[in-house]
Amino acid sequence: GDSVTQMEGPVTLSEEAFLTINCTYTATGYPSLFWYVQYPGEGLQLLLKATKADDKGSNKGFEATYRKETTSFHLEKGSVQVSDSAVYFCALTHRGGNKLVFGAGTILRVKS
Amino acid sequence: DAGVIQSPRHEVTEMGQEVTLRCKPISGHDYLFWYRQTMMRGLELLIYFNNNVPIDDSGMPEDRFSAKMPNASFSTLKIQPSEPRDSAVYFCASRLMVMNTEAFFGQGTRLTVV
Repeated sequence: GDSVTQMEGPVTLSEEAFLTINCTYTATGYPSLFWYVQYPGEGLQLLLKATKADDKGSNKGFEATYRKETTSFHLEKGSVQVSDSAVYFCALTHRGGNKLVFGAGTILRVKS
Repeated sequence: DAGVIQSPRHEVTEMGQEVTLRCKPISGHDYLFWYRQTMMRGLELLIYFNNNVPIDDSGMPEDRFSAKMPNASFSTLKIQPSEPRDSAVYFCASRLMVMNTEAFFGQGTRLTVV
């Protein structure tokens, strides 16, 4: 079945450091890919998405590129802030699919 | 739109009691999902509905769990009887039946069973 694998956390960085959170997936065909973020005490909210190969999703300084050849969708940000501290989830859904399949989530802690 | 609304935000109950969690999806959304989040298991899909009809309940852990969606604007998740291992954050989410659209999540209900 479909699955999403994320790098284990927690990831701890200093403010202004470069961030990469790895995400790879297993799925048939061409799924749509998503990154969600969960701030403490809140629900998940969409950060960015990409719906076809080579698409780049971006939002709030975060980027991720849909790489079909490596089945990956790594999240990057050039300079993190303390306010980026949260849990990040990679997810996929198939075209016409109903449900999102989530990775385990990666905790990010940014120190000032 | 106010987004997906869940109630209560926090619930503390004693083992053996019945617990009912409530969700109001975004108006016009066709799908509604119930998730459970714990440290040990992460985010688990319990059940989802399409146009008020349950489609897949394979994630519901036991017969003690049941979910209903009597109309397009309301759903409940009931646990009877509750057990300490049911302690978790329960999320409701909704989305449109359109390709490539994302799901919108509520703030969650933090359930503690003592």
